Amino acid sequence: QITLKESGPTLVKPTQTLTLTCTFSGFSLSTSGVGVGWIRQPPGKALEWLALIYWDDDKRYSPSLKSRLTITKDTSKNQVVLTMTNMDPVDTATYYCAHRNSSGILCYWGQGTLVTVSS
Amino acid sequence: QPVLTQPPSASASLGASVTLTCTLSSGYSNYKVDWYQQRPGKGPRFVMRVGTGGIVGSKGDGIPDRFSVLGSGLNRYLTIKNIQEEDESDYHCGADHGSGSNFVWVFGGGTKLTVL
Repeated sequence: QITLKESGPTLVKPTQTLTLTCTFSGFSLSTSGVGVGWIRQPPGKALEWLALIYWDDDKRYSPSLKSRLTITKDTSKNQVVLTMTNMDPVDTATYYCAHRNSSGILCYWGQGTLVTVSS
Repeated sequence: QPVLTQPPSASASLGASVTLTCTLSSGYSNYKVDWYQQRPGKGPRFVMRVGTGGIVGSKGDGIPDRFSVLGSGLNRYLTIKNIQEEDESDYHCGADHGSGSNFVWVFGGGTKLTVL
């Protein structure tokens, strides 16, 4: 059974750096073709893809946010970490991590964590 | 990159059928699209992938047979038959595009399905 869970601060101040951790079980991020992605959803709005890391440590970022994002993995801990710099109130959203299978499908998602950006 | 367009809302009576539409922007008629169900307060759940030939691969875990897909031209459809109260959710479509540094994952705006 594959599960993922996001963790991190619920409130950050403008200009601060956000660090989110995705802790997963039921799969290995060293398996060929597998990846973990981050997606966010502002309240009442659409899903927005942020970043993806592959089993071989290859990384992909949303072009519009690339300068602010860093994604890393710790295979031994079954964790993926996303950092986003220079947070702004418009970054207030629920942040999800998801398992990408070898067919390229985001087939399992975490429950999400709501991050509010406010002074 | 493709743009995915979804109507913001849809409704159907209990026991009826409904078809949700995800429309790809021009030039992307060969793209596959993934459907996701998002119940209130929950994370998205993969439903199934659809191309012009219909379902691609398998349905997501626990997706009932009442859910089916079709693809035609720029449209990707998700049909739910014999709608149940538990089907009241937001439904999102998504697709990946490109490779290397040009890779992106795009989502539609989502359709809120209300069960009457």
